[in-house]
Amino acid sequence: DVKVTQSSRYLVKRTGEKVFLECVQDMDHENMFWYRQDPGLGLRLIYFSYDVKMKEKGDIPEGYSVSREKKERFSLILESASTNQTSMYLCASSSPGQGTNYEQYFGPGTRLTVT
Amino acid sequence: AQKVTQAQTEISVVEKEDVTLDCVYETRDTTYYLFWYKQPPSGELVFLIRRNSFDEQNEISGRYSWNFQKSTSSFNFTITASQVVDSAVYFCALSEAGTNAGKSTFGDGTTLTVKP
Repeated sequence: DVKVTQSSRYLVKRTGEKVFLECVQDMDHENMFWYRQDPGLGLRLIYFSYDVKMKEKGDIPEGYSVSREKKERFSLILESASTNQTSMYLCASSSPGQGTNYEQYFGPGTRLTVT
Repeated sequence: AQKVTQAQTEISVVEKEDVTLDCVYETRDTTYYLFWYKQPPSGELVFLIRRNSFDEQNEISGRYSWNFQKSTSSFNFTITASQVVDSAVYFCALSEAGTNAGKSTFGDGTTLTVKP
C-alpha cells in the first residue's frame, strides 16, 4: 500500500514565522503535490514536483515555496506565515506507469492555524 | 483548459437509498484519466477509481458503480443501498496524459450525508 505521511496533523504558528510542512511517500513516486483545502473553495494546487529538484507553480503559489532534495520528500515552506494561510494542507504523490496512471495518494493533512 | 464540474454541492439521503453523484468534465485531449476520491470526516482523501479515456466500460465494485460516457463527457458515481459510512465529500478529478506530472483538476466536491 502507498503511504504518504505528513509531519504534523495540527500546527499553530504565529504571524511572521517561517513554517515547514514535510511530506514523505514510500512508493518511489515521481510526482508530488501540495494543496490547500478551504471550505467552499475545494482543493487548490500550490506547487508540484515531477522529479528531484524540479518544481512547478500550481494555481496559488504566492506566499509559498517548496523543496524536493530527495525523491521521497517534498517540503512546503511558508516564508512568513500570515493569517490568510490558515488552512488544511494536503500532500499527495502519484506515478505514471507501475500499474497506476496518475491517481494521487494523499497524506492525512496538516491543519495549520496562524494567529 | 480542463475543467471538472460537480453540480451537486450537497446531497442528503436516508440509509438504503440509492444515490448518484454527477461529474461532467471538459478537455481537449483525446487521452485522459478520470478519478473519484472520497474524503470522510477524518479528512484523508482516498482514491476510489480511475478510468482511462479509451475504456468506456462501466465498473461495479460492491455497492459502488461508475458510469463513464464520453458522448456526454460524464463520469457519474452511484452508491446503491447507501450506508451511514458513505457520508463523505466525494471529488471527481481529471488528468490529461502528457500534462506535467499528470496533475489533476478537481471538481469542487459533493458532500453526501446519509442519515440513519
